[in-house]
Amino acid sequence: GEDVEQSLFLSVREGDSSVINCTYTDSSSTYLYWYKQEPGAGLQLLTYIFSNMDMKQDQRLTVLLNKKDKHLSLRIADTQTGDSAIYFCAENKIIFGKGTRLHILP
Amino acid sequence: GAVVSQHPSWVICKSGTSVKIECRSLDFQATTMFWYRQFPKQSLMLMATSNEGSKATYEQGVEKDKFLINHASLTLSTLTVTSAHPEDSSFYICSARVDRVQETQYFGPGTRLLVL
Repeated sequence: GEDVEQSLFLSVREGDSSVINCTYTDSSSTYLYWYKQEPGAGLQLLTYIFSNMDMKQDQRLTVLLNKKDKHLSLRIADTQTGDSAIYFCAENKIIFGKGTRLHILP
Repeated sequence: GAVVSQHPSWVICKSGTSVKIECRSLDFQATTMFWYRQFPKQSLMLMATSNEGSKATYEQGVEKDKFLINHASLTLSTLTVTSAHPEDSSFYICSARVDRVQETQYFGPGTRLLVL
């Protein structure tokens, strides 16, 4: 069945770039999404990318999509302590990865 | 962006009681709302898709008599956990679909349920 995989944990020093990776299986995905979940909170839509795009940049966020390999990544430039959260990638609206916990080191 | 609220934000109840959780779209009309459940350190599990004016569509393994969903209006969907048990303790999150083309969902802040 359809599946979305991502690494569960990432530790990054403040000021460095964070790269969170995700792979998916459904080749018919039209849009792919990145959500952020802060402790005890709901999900916040961070950004999304249309499947016919390779890259999308939005301020500190860069999304790269390799449709051939079904690989999606989220790069956060100049990572700040406020970026500490769990990041979920999602495809076709309802299939979520397990989330990547981003931990910021001082 | 679109705002979705949930009420209550947290609830503690005794085993055997029923709990109702409300999900509202505050500044838009949502023909479709989704209910998710999230266990600690785990991903979201879609429980059901709620369409205004019709019966909810439940995912496999979700008991529809246990988790009653009502989508009474374009801005309100409710989830009632009937005869709650400790294993129902979880974080319940709703979302509302704004744009049918982009299929973007906006999420509520979640409701933490603890059943004693």
